[in-house]
Amino acid sequence: KAGVTQTPRYLIKTRGQQVTLSCSPISGHRSVSWYQQTPGQGLQFLFEYFSETQRNKGNFPGRFSGRQFSNSRSEMNVSTLELGDSALYLCASSGGQGKLGYTFGSGTRLTVV
Amino acid sequence: GQQVMQIPQYQHVQEGEDFTTYCNSSTTLSNIQWYKQRPGGHPVFLIQLVKSGEVKKQKRLTFQFGEAKKNSSLHITATQTTDVGTYFCAGGFGNEKLTFGTGTRLTIIP
Repeated sequence: KAGVTQTPRYLIKTRGQQVTLSCSPISGHRSVSWYQQTPGQGLQFLFEYFSETQRNKGNFPGRFSGRQFSNSRSEMNVSTLELGDSALYLCASSGGQGKLGYTFGSGTRLTVV
Repeated sequence: GQQVMQIPQYQHVQEGEDFTTYCNSSTTLSNIQWYKQRPGGHPVFLIQLVKSGEVKKQKRLTFQFGEAKKNSSLHITATQTTDVGTYFCAGGFGNEKLTFGTGTRLTIIP
């Protein structure tokens, strides 16, 4: 079966712009989590959605938001981009309750210039 | 807050030597998961441990969950070049959110 699909793979944006990243989970998975990965900070939890509801939220500013659609696809949005937002953004899906682990997408590499 | 510490940060081993990475939490975990991320890749799920004192093996990899469910370890016997990558533990605290450790980057010297 198809894995977790993230689009786009690469993105270059200018400071102050906004960006929307997309994630399509594995068919049948209703839980989608987003992580930010940087060399210095490792994998930082952004938020988790289950059945269109945000169940958990990490310690990121309000510029970071997300949503989940009825087909479980998820988007995350970052407004007013800062240089420090440059990172690999990873989406992971699971069957709920973290069962059998998370399946990660290949990520979106965001560069803010 | 819920934090998971992982050591060492880096490990360079001669091919054929053993490797171990350790994971610690200040609070009790509901479960611990382990992931491997190859250079340039994304994390790939290896295993989940749930029970106190649990030990699981996958070929040359041995995973342990501490009796108090606050620590875990991953041990690789006789490392091979294919073992190169960063190994992450991720702690579950019962709220569906996984908190990842900082990872241990393993380099193999041929």
